[in-house]
Amino acid sequence: SAVISQKPSRDICQRGTSLTIQCQVDSQVTMMFWYRQQPGQSLTLIATANQGSEATYESGFVIDKFPISRPNLTFSTLTVSNMSPEDSSIYLCSVENEQSTDTQYFGPGTRLTVL
Amino acid sequence: GQQVMQIPQYQHVQEGEDFTTYCNSSTTLSNIQWYKQRPGGHPVFLIQLVKSGEVKKQKRLTFQFGEAKKNSSLHITATQTTDVGTYFCAGWGYSGNTGKLIFGQGTTLQVKP
Repeated sequence: SAVISQKPSRDICQRGTSLTIQCQVDSQVTMMFWYRQQPGQSLTLIATANQGSEATYESGFVIDKFPISRPNLTFSTLTVSNMSPEDSSIYLCSVENEQSTDTQYFGPGTRLTVL
Repeated sequence: GQQVMQIPQYQHVQEGEDFTTYCNSSTTLSNIQWYKQRPGGHPVFLIQLVKSGEVKKQKRLTFQFGEAKKNSSLHITATQTTDVGTYFCAGWGYSGNTGKLIFGQGTTLQVKP
C-alpha cells in the first residue's frame, strides 16, 4: 500500500490568510485527490489532480479558492486561500490504489482551524 | 446529483453485541467500498464489492452488496472495543466521464466495555 504524508498536520490561521498543504506519496501515482471533512461530517471531494494537467474541481469548489499544484507523480499541494472560519476542517489527500483502481489510500490529514 | 445515504448515524452497543450499518445509493453503482476511520485518524480502506449480490467476510465483519447494486451493508459480529470508529460506505459513480468516490454520511460506532 502507498504511504502518504501531509504537512502540516495541523495549523491555526487568521482569517484572510492562506495556507498551503503538502501531500507526498512514497510511490508514483497517476491520480491524487483532495477532500474536505468538516467536524463530525463525511468526506467531500474538492478536486482531482492529475500530473501534467489542470485539476478538476467538484461543484462548489473553485480554483481561486483552492488552487492545486501537481508538479510530479509523487507530490501535490492544496492551498486554502483567503480563509474564513467556515474553512475550518480536516483536509485529506488520497491516491488511487494502482492495484485496485477506484479504491483509495488516504493521508493522515491536515486539521485546519481558522480564527 | 448522485447521493449515498447511510444509517444509522450513531450506534452505541455493549461489547459482544452485533452491529449493522446500511448504505443506499440513489443510482446503480459500479462498486461499493467500505472505509473505517478511527477517532482522530484518517479513513482506511476495508473492502470493495463489485458483483451483484456479493458477500465478503473479514473475520467478524460481513459485507454485502445488493442485487440491484444500489445498497450495501456491513455487519460486525460480537463487537469489540477495537471496532470503535466511523464506518463509511463509498460508491464509485460517474459524473459525465469522470469517476469519483461518493461517501455516505458514516455510522459512528461506540462500544461499551
